[in-house]
Amino acid sequence: EDKVVQSPLSLVVHEGDTVTLNCSYEVTNFRSLLWYKQEKKAPTFLFMLTSSGIEKKSGRLSSILDKKELFSILNITATQTGDSAIYLCAPNRSGAGNMLTFGGGTRLMVKP
Amino acid sequence: NAGVTQTPKFRVLKTGQSMTLLCAQDMNHEYMYWYRQDPGMGLRLIHYSVGEGTTAKGEVPDGYNVSRLKKQNFLLGLESAAPSQTSVYFCASSTPSGGRETQYFGPGTRLLVL
Repeated sequence: EDKVVQSPLSLVVHEGDTVTLNCSYEVTNFRSLLWYKQEKKAPTFLFMLTSSGIEKKSGRLSSILDKKELFSILNITATQTGDSAIYLCAPNRSGAGNMLTFGGGTRLMVKP
Repeated sequence: NAGVTQTPKFRVLKTGQSMTLLCAQDMNHEYMYWYRQDPGMGLRLIHYSVGEGTTAKGEVPDGYNVSRLKKQNFLLGLESAAPSQTSVYFCASSTPSGGRETQYFGPGTRLLVL
């Protein structure tokens, strides 16, 4: 059975702090791993990682995948209150349907 | 483009009532999905469809039915609602992209079953 575990479950930091969110997975026919940010409504796409060791960056956010150890991390530097959200990781399995298995998410709160 | 839309946004049902949630996408995507999200449990797949006229069960299909009569629409039905089906329901869509597929989500439907 596929398994995706995110840690920590929740995190409270102050503006300007740096945070690291973790995602470990056990998924059959792994193809890629996606990170999503969920504020009040729909999850929005952040990153797709397909290769180990290659960092993806978007502004203050960056992410990296380790396919050997089966984990990914999402880093956010110089956090802002607008970063407050639930962050979801989701491994993608190969095959028809583009199936994702979501972790339980990390709830991040950034205080002013 | 509106992307993925869902109706209704919010609904209250009594136990035993039925209802249909509608998802529509205007991106010509092949694949569509229904998820439910409960506190601390991420998103769990209920049913999905890889094309018009085809549907398949996901992780938590019991108590739900779906239909995909048109490519752009994916309907989720609850025949006899139960309090355990109180949740937020998200629809998503995607399309084959040579291994670079992402799923695009609708705004969600909040359902309360009393």
